[in-house]
Amino acid sequence: DAGVIQSPRHEVTEMGQEVTLRCKPISGHDYLFWYRQTMMRGLELLIYFNNNVPIDDSGMPEDRFSAKMPNASFSTLKIQPSEPRDSAVYFCASMAYGGAGTGELFFGEGSRLTVL
Amino acid sequence: SQQGEEDPQALSIQEGENATMNCSYKTSINNLQWYRQNSGRGLVHLILIRSNEREKHSGRLRVTLDTSKKSSSLLITASRAADTASYFCAPSRGGGADGLTFGKGTHLIIQP
Repeated sequence: DAGVIQSPRHEVTEMGQEVTLRCKPISGHDYLFWYRQTMMRGLELLIYFNNNVPIDDSGMPEDRFSAKMPNASFSTLKIQPSEPRDSAVYFCASMAYGGAGTGELFFGEGSRLTVL
Repeated sequence: SQQGEEDPQALSIQEGENATMNCSYKTSINNLQWYRQNSGRGLVHLILIRSNEREKHSGRLRVTLDTSKKSSSLLITASRAADTASYFCAPSRGGGADGLTFGKGTHLIIQP
């Protein structure tokens, strides 16, 4: 398998523009996670899905952020409108949940977003 | 889910030396995972230790878990330049199923 695939790898946009980040999880994985990483705040869990259903979106910072998972092989994280403080690296990760509460996360290489 | 706190925040050692980093957490867990992040890359899973295990080995990695002290340690033996990275712990009750959260990590630098 090619691993978790994220696109774009880099995005530079202007304040107020809509940003869409994409993620293709590993085939067969039933969990998908979106994280945001900044120097100041570290790695933050934004939202995660199980079998395409959002389980916990309490980490989504504002209504400007939304995430969808229309099928098992694709997810999007959208920011509309974008602001400079949204500049960060956004990671997608997927997991196949094992028994007894195990399960390791497989991360993509991230999407580096710069909002001017 | 709960977040672990890694200590120290930064560690610089000479190549060939051993590196030890620690993780503390607050509530009971079922397992604890360690991840590595190389600069500009995504996190990579290193090892998982269950709450009923005290020690686990994987290659040059040794992880210990003390549930009474709510702490874990990661030892990297015979360090190499390629071990330069940030290391994160992720304590959990439900594995990734309850959403793993991460602290700021330990930034390890291996000096040649």
